Amino acid sequence: EAEVAQSPRYKITEKSQAVAFWCDPISGHATLYWYRQILGQGPELLVQFQDESVVDDSQLPKDRFSAERLKGVDSTLKIQPAELGDSAMYLCASSLPGLGPTDTQYFGPGTRLTVL
Amino acid sequence: AQRVTQPEKLLSVFKGAPVELKCNYSYSGSPELFWYVQYSRQRLQLLLRHISRESIKGFTADLNKGETSFHLKKPFAQEEDSAMYYCALFSGSARQLTFGSGTQLTVLP
Repeated sequence: EAEVAQSPRYKITEKSQAVAFWCDPISGHATLYWYRQILGQGPELLVQFQDESVVDDSQLPKDRFSAERLKGVDSTLKIQPAELGDSAMYLCASSLPGLGPTDTQYFGPGTRLTVL
Repeated sequence: AQRVTQPEKLLSVFKGAPVELKCNYSYSGSPELFWYVQYSRQRLQLLLRHISRESIKGFTADLNKGETSFHLKKPFAQEEDSAMYYCALFSGSARQLTFGSGTQLTVLP
């Protein structure tokens, strides 16, 4: 069964360093989402792509976060510089064809980021 | 702005007992609501959505627009139901899911 892949699964970094997370959605899924989940809270959407285009990045802290999906397939989320408050689980999800309430989002295993 | 509230962070019931996980929402438009579940060491996955009016693994959820609620219910809890449950609201205008903070359900033997 096809699944969303994410790497790395765990990342420990020091504040002010740069980190990057990678996501490979299920083949054929046009919509890709990055969420941040702080311990004890639900996932919060950071950015949503439709193919290679950003649909919504209103919750992305653009002074330090960036996301790209250059070929409309896999995606990278970057944080530079990392801050202590960025410690969280970063989840990637995908759906097809996207932009509808009936489209199921399939989640990856997440990347657990710890900033020291 | 849309908001989803799950008032119980932790909920414990005995096997065979009924279970109800509460979810309240705030949204000015016509809501589309979902329940997601995360079992231990597994990914977050969709459990059910209100528009399908389905029962999954014995769970049902009814949308009550008057009370702005979407509580998840199961008449007889099983140990394998132990998991983290998230209620989520899809807002058409923003085209995104807003999640509640989750309820950790533990079904005791």
